[in-house]
Amino acid sequence: DAGVIQSPRHEVTEMGQEVTLRCKPISGHNSLFWYRQTMMRGLELLIYFNNNVPIDDSGMPEDRFSAKMPNASFSTLKIQPSEPRDSAVYFCASSSQEGNTEAFFGQGTRLTVV
Amino acid sequence: QQQVKQSPQSLIVQKGGISIINCAYENTAFDYFPWYQQFPGKGPALLIAIRPDVSEKKEGRFTISFNKSAKQFSLHIMDSQPGDSATYFCAASRSDYKLSFGAGTTVTVRA
Repeated sequence: DAGVIQSPRHEVTEMGQEVTLRCKPISGHNSLFWYRQTMMRGLELLIYFNNNVPIDDSGMPEDRFSAKMPNASFSTLKIQPSEPRDSAVYFCASSSQEGNTEAFFGQGTRLTVV
Repeated sequence: QQQVKQSPQSLIVQKGGISIINCAYENTAFDYFPWYQQFPGKGPALLIAIRPDVSEKKEGRFTISFNKSAKQFSLHIMDSQPGDSATYFCAASRSDYKLSFGAGTTVTVRA
């Protein structure tokens, strides 16, 4: 298995633009997480999906952030409009529900909003 | 607020030495304590994990020590190697999805 695949790896955008980050979880995993990593706040859980349904989005910073999981093999995190303070590395992770809570992380998308 | 407190922020160790990273938590409902290793430009990867029914778990050169009464757990890296240079995160969860991560420790192993 190729692991969790995220795209793009790097994104530079101007303030006010819409940004869409993409994730393909590991096949067979039914839990998907979006995390944000910054120097100041470390690793923060933004949203958690189980069987394609959002279970907990309490970590989503504000209404500018939205996430979808239209099927078991694809998820998106959208920021509209983007702001410089959104600059961070965004990770997608997936896990199975077989009593194992290990989360497998993708390589991340480094977002820079200028 | 940070549910898992991790220290030190960084450490430097000589090759062959022992690296020790400590974490403390408050939520007694936590029952799964993993450690993740992250190299620059990569996502975190699970290194080793422990549940509170055991006080110690060893995998190769990596050992977790767990003190339930003190609500503390630590990672020991024995015989540290330059390839161990990375950022290490402790985490905790309630056997559900929500991992709470520590702030991370950057370990540098000098040859």
